[in-house]
Amino acid sequence: DAGITQSPRHKVTETGTPVTLRCHQTENHRYMYWYRQDPGHGLRLIHYSYGVKDTDKGEVSDGYSVSRSKTEDFLLTLESATSSQTSVYFCATTGSGANVLTFGAGSRLTVL
Amino acid sequence: QKEVEQDPGPLSVPEGAIVSLNCTYSNSAFQYFMWYRQYSRKGPELLMYTYSSGNKEDGRFTAQVDKSSKYISLFIRDSQPSDSATYLCAMSLYNQGGKLIFGQGTELSVKP
Repeated sequence: DAGITQSPRHKVTETGTPVTLRCHQTENHRYMYWYRQDPGHGLRLIHYSYGVKDTDKGEVSDGYSVSRSKTEDFLLTLESATSSQTSVYFCATTGSGANVLTFGAGSRLTVL
Repeated sequence: QKEVEQDPGPLSVPEGAIVSLNCTYSNSAFQYFMWYRQYSRKGPELLMYTYSSGNKEDGRFTAQVDKSSKYISLFIRDSQPSDSATYLCAMSLYNQGGKLIFGQGTELSVKP
């Protein structure tokens, strides 16, 4: 997990509240990704970024937005959390568009 | 039907056993094949990486890709209790960077 810090690591929130998860990297990697991990589904891509202010949707982007104002920070926002967004969220990075990802330690989110 | 299928296990073996982990996939355009290892409450870490078909060996680990059968395998020789983890297969299309498609993961337990 060296070089990638996710915060918060654990969060419990209520349905309808906004939530922001932060990913901070010190690798100066251009590409950053948000995945969620659920039993029976493995990891699924939510959103990704290929540079500052350049983002795109992944497989399961509904209900999520992202922002990247600096190379080192990639934020994932749930505008109005739902119970189906209870999951473990992983940030990952790679340099130069390579497909070998380095993952953070994860953020465990529970929506009641 | 999921693009990538992986038996979730759990799989329990005695120390020293040979372990075989497998994934099947449906998209014949996948070019890059990876195995990630994930310890409990941690982020996935890359274990093996293979481009196209063939075998790759790294110490006690061997990855095999059979594109004609759309089948990939990971073999662990002389398994150790420290190999106890969840193993995730992942694959991607050409030029897709870190947009990976993961299997569900297989939970492996190696008993001393």
